[in-house]
Amino acid sequence: DTAVSQTPKYLVTQMGNDKSIKCEQNLGHDTMYWYKQDSKKFLKIMFSYNNKELIINETVPNRFSPKSPDKAHLNLHINSLELGDSAVYFCASSQVVSGGPPRETQYFGPGTRLLVL
Amino acid sequence: SQKIEQNSEALNIQEGKTATLTCNYTNYSPAYLQWYRQDPGRGPVFLLLIRENEKEKRKERLKVTFDTTLKQSLFHITASQPADSATYLCALGWRGRGSTLGRLYFGRGTQLTVWP
Repeated sequence: DTAVSQTPKYLVTQMGNDKSIKCEQNLGHDTMYWYKQDSKKFLKIMFSYNNKELIINETVPNRFSPKSPDKAHLNLHINSLELGDSAVYFCASSQVVSGGPPRETQYFGPGTRLLVL
Repeated sequence: SQKIEQNSEALNIQEGKTATLTCNYTNYSPAYLQWYRQDPGRGPVFLLLIRENEKEKRKERLKVTFDTTLKQSLFHITASQPADSATYLCALGWRGRGSTLGRLYFGRGTQLTVWP
């Protein structure tokens, strides 16, 4: 069984369009993340949700809006896509205990390759 | 802001040798440091975690060291094999609350190639 899944795997779209990427985890984790990996392979966090509550919101254009309908799902909606949004987007999950001993191993999905033309 | 540097973008070694990858960081020492492996077209996969009060961790052919004085972690793969070829990422994390909860800062990775 896939632990963290993302759809779609590939997304090719025109500038200005709106698109969504979906993520689901079946690990029972309480925290989910969105990362962006650029062409230089740098993995940078965008958002994090803990128990459906937004806890990390990096300096990301407000065209990007995450939504967590429940603990097992974290979706990413992108409005008015731009050329610079082309990248690989990874969803991840972990089980985080506030102030507790670190066991924050993150489990990553396979990635969504977004190409904006 | 926190800066993480991995020794080189690429490392090429011969099969059977030990690969050593370096991860250096600035500013605040993390509560723990993790190493991930990423294969082309796939997401990172967790390998090892070492905590601030630990000096060394081993798992099969993998060994990680953590020196908070030098602000450095070394990642070793002994008896390397072509199947070890991948990009290896180090990631730093802090025990915390609020916006630091579960947060990881990743290095840019070192692409390891093991040739026969």
